[in-house]
Order: sequence, then structure tokens, then C-alpha cells
Amino acid sequence: GESVGLHLPTLSVQEGDNSIINCAYSNSASDYFIWYKQESGKGPQFIIDIRSNMDKRQGQRVTVLLNKTVKHLSLQIAATQPGDSAVYFCADHRNQAGTALIFGKGTTLSVSS
Amino acid sequence: GAGVSQSPSNKVTEKGKDVELRCDPISGHTALYWYRQSLGQGLEFLIYFQGNSAPDKSGLPSDRFSAERTGGSVSTLTIQRTQQEDSAVYLCASSLGANQPQHFGDGTRLSIL
Repeated sequence: GESVGLHLPTLSVQEGDNSIINCAYSNSASDYFIWYKQESGKGPQFIIDIRSNMDKRQGQRVTVLLNKTVKHLSLQIAATQPGDSAVYFCADHRNQAGTALIFGKGTTLSVSS
Repeated sequence: GAGVSQSPSNKVTEKGKDVELRCDPISGHTALYWYRQSLGQGLEFLIYFQGNSAPDKSGLPSDRFSAERTGGSVSTLTIQRTQQEDSAVYLCASSLGANQPQHFGDGTRLSIL
């Protein structure tokens, strides 16, 4: 079936390192992608989004890269901080109005000092 | 600023009882979504409301689940004759429209005894 998934369920990094979280999607019709951060007991928090007409988008300390050829999405976090520890989800939105996001299972990022 | 508000934050009930979960979206957001998140899993789409259009109910797992959105604002998700497998966190999100970032509440943690 069509799904959005992540390559690794967990990622451990040292404070100050750069983190890269990967995601693969299967639906070539997907035209909009979002990364969310979820802390324990909280709802997902919007981090950054990218549309299919772009390859790269930058925010504050975060960059999202989209490779439509291989249907791959990644989130890069620069100078990772302990406060970045959370579960990160990628989600995609199909190319039709009124459909919901399809979420992957998430990658747990652990940042040690 | 006011985000998406959900109530109650926690609900414990006995198997077979009916429950109602409430969502107050961000003011001005025309789109409202309900998702379910089981322990350690990604989010599962349940239902979507957009303005005055008929809701997209394609994610509802059974006819025991229903939702309403009154006046284009507050939404209620109702689960009748609850089962233990209904135990999960129920998350509500709203957005300015389709293909726009969805902003989530912190969810209702539902436990069925």
C-alpha cells in the first residue's frame, strides 16, 4: 500500500552535532510534505514543510531536502540541542484537495550532553 | 496565542460506555481533522471537515465512531460502545485550508478498562 515511512526508528547524537532524519515515501502523486516534532504527552508540532516544486527549504537550524526521483525526504537539524530530543514524523499530502496527512511511524531523536 | 484545544486531556471509561471528545480549532481555520495515535505509532487519519462540505469519513474504523462539527468551529468525536482496542490518544488538528500546515492539539488520552 501507499505509505510514508522512516529509515531508522531511533537516532542518538551528541549535543552540537548535526542530525539527519530520513523518510521514504511511495506515492509519486504526493505534492506536499511536512515534518513534525512530537514531545512526550504533547501533540505534533509543525517544524517545516516543502512542496513538490522545490528541492530544498531552510528554516531556523532546520533544512528539508526533497528528492522526487527516489521519493526521499530528509530533515537536517544543525547544532542539535538537548531540547531537540523528541519523535520526528514526516507526513505527506496527496495531490487532491481535502485529504488528510499520511504519517510515518516516527524516528526518536536522543541528544546527549 | 490560542492553539487547538482538546478536552478532556484524559478519559478513563469502562468497556461498552459511550465517550465524547471535544476539539476547539484555531479561530479562522476552516479545515479540521481527527487522528488516532496508538502507543509508539504514527498518526492514523479518522475524519476531515472542510467548511460546509460533506466530511471525509474514510478513516473511521467502524460505525461506532462518528463526528460532528457545529457552526464550522467546535467538533465532537463520539465513540459508542467502546472497546479496549479504542484505547489511544485522539488528536485534533486544524488548518487554514487543504494543503496547509496542520496544527495539532495535545490530544485526549482515552483508556478503556
